[in-house]
Amino acid sequence: GDSVTQMEGPVTLSEEAFLTINCTYTATGYPSLFWYVQYPGEGLQLLLKATKADDKGSNKGFEATYRKETTSFHLEKGSVQVSDSAVYFCALRSRDAGNMLTFGGGTRLMVKP
Amino acid sequence: EAGVTQFPSHSVIEKGQTVTLRCDPISGHDNLYWYRRVMGKEIKFLLHFVKESKQDESGMPNNRFLAERTGGTYSTLKVQPAELEDSGVYFCASSQGQGRHGELFFGEGSRLTVL
Repeated sequence: GDSVTQMEGPVTLSEEAFLTINCTYTATGYPSLFWYVQYPGEGLQLLLKATKADDKGSNKGFEATYRKETTSFHLEKGSVQVSDSAVYFCALRSRDAGNMLTFGGGTRLMVKP
Repeated sequence: EAGVTQFPSHSVIEKGQTVTLRCDPISGHDNLYWYRRVMGKEIKFLLHFVKESKQDESGMPNNRFLAERTGGTYSTLKVQPAELEDSGVYFCASSQGQGRHGELFFGEGSRLTVL
């Protein structure tokens, strides 16, 4: 079945540091890939998505590129802020799995001033 | 426009008791999903409604869990009787379409603690 593996946290960075959160997936067919974020006290929000190979999703300074050859969708940001502190979830949806969202375990990011 | 709302935000019950969680999707969204995150692990799919019909309930863990969506509007998820391993955060989400490209809109979650 489909699965998503992302790096375990917590990830602790200083403000303005470079961020990478690794995400790899296993899926049949051609899934769509997503990053969701959960800020403290809030629900899950879609951060960005990519629907086909080589697509780059971007939002709020975050980027992730759909790499079919390495089955990866790593999240990057050039300069993190304290307000980026949150839990980040990588996820996929595939038609073969009934289009349900399959999530990774989540990575907690803590950014210190 | 109101987002997905869930109630209660936190429920603490004893083993063997019953709890009912409620989800109000975004108005006009036919698709409603329940997910849960147990013990800080992956967020796992529970079930999917299209209007009032259960499209996929393959993720429901056992028959102690009952989900309903009467009239195709709000949904309830009842756990009866609750067990310790049911503790976790239950998320509800809704969407307009079912396609794999589409965005699911999530609520803040209902945290369930079973003592």
